[in-house]
Amino acid sequence: DVKVTQSSRYLVKRTGEKVFLECVQDMDHENMFWYRQDPGLGLRLIYFSYDVKMKEKGDIPEGYSVSREKKERFSLILESASTNQTSMYLCASSPRGNYNEQFFGPGTRLTVL
Amino acid sequence: DQQVKQNSPSLSVQEGRISILNCDYTNSMFDYFLWYKKYPAEGPTFLISISSIKDKNEDGRFTVFLNKSAKHLSLHIVPSQPGDSAVYFCAAMGGTSYGKLTFGQGTILTVHP
Repeated sequence: DVKVTQSSRYLVKRTGEKVFLECVQDMDHENMFWYRQDPGLGLRLIYFSYDVKMKEKGDIPEGYSVSREKKERFSLILESASTNQTSMYLCASSPRGNYNEQFFGPGTRLTVL
Repeated sequence: DQQVKQNSPSLSVQEGRISILNCDYTNSMFDYFLWYKKYPAEGPTFLISISSIKDKNEDGRFTVFLNKSAKHLSLHIVPSQPGDSAVYFCAAMGGTSYGKLTFGQGTILTVHP
């Protein structure tokens, strides 16, 4: 059974803190993605990665960075968290050449106070 | 700029009747379209897709229709069941954004027993 796991379901951080969101997949997928979901805006792509150490900006990369040191792990980093980064963060993965059917993790609800 | 739009935030349907969820897009380079379903506290799961070379794709109770000239797609669920109650997202891919999915805002479907 395919699985994408995210390190936390709920996270509360303070403005200015550095925040790490971790995502791990056990399907040996090459592609991994980070989205945020906000009411009325749907899912918006922050960053994605085609392979280890590779990364591409999505539609809303400002204020975020990513790290992919191992194939199964894709980390999203908020260098200095701000209140407008309060959101649901979703990680997804898909096999090489198949961007269509992405497998999602359960999400991390991040609140920045 | 919302390239994929779901203009109905919510839809309420009686069990056994047809549910029709709509989606419009503006980018004529999009050539692959998908529907995802999301239950509360879970990540989205892939439901059905359609390539631009087709105008219809069917999978059990779910059918997706694509009208390229109108830049419009719809998801039909027949018959609707209470377990179909979820948020439905349409997504699109293609052109220079290949590898990236662009999602709509989502429609909350409620199927009443």
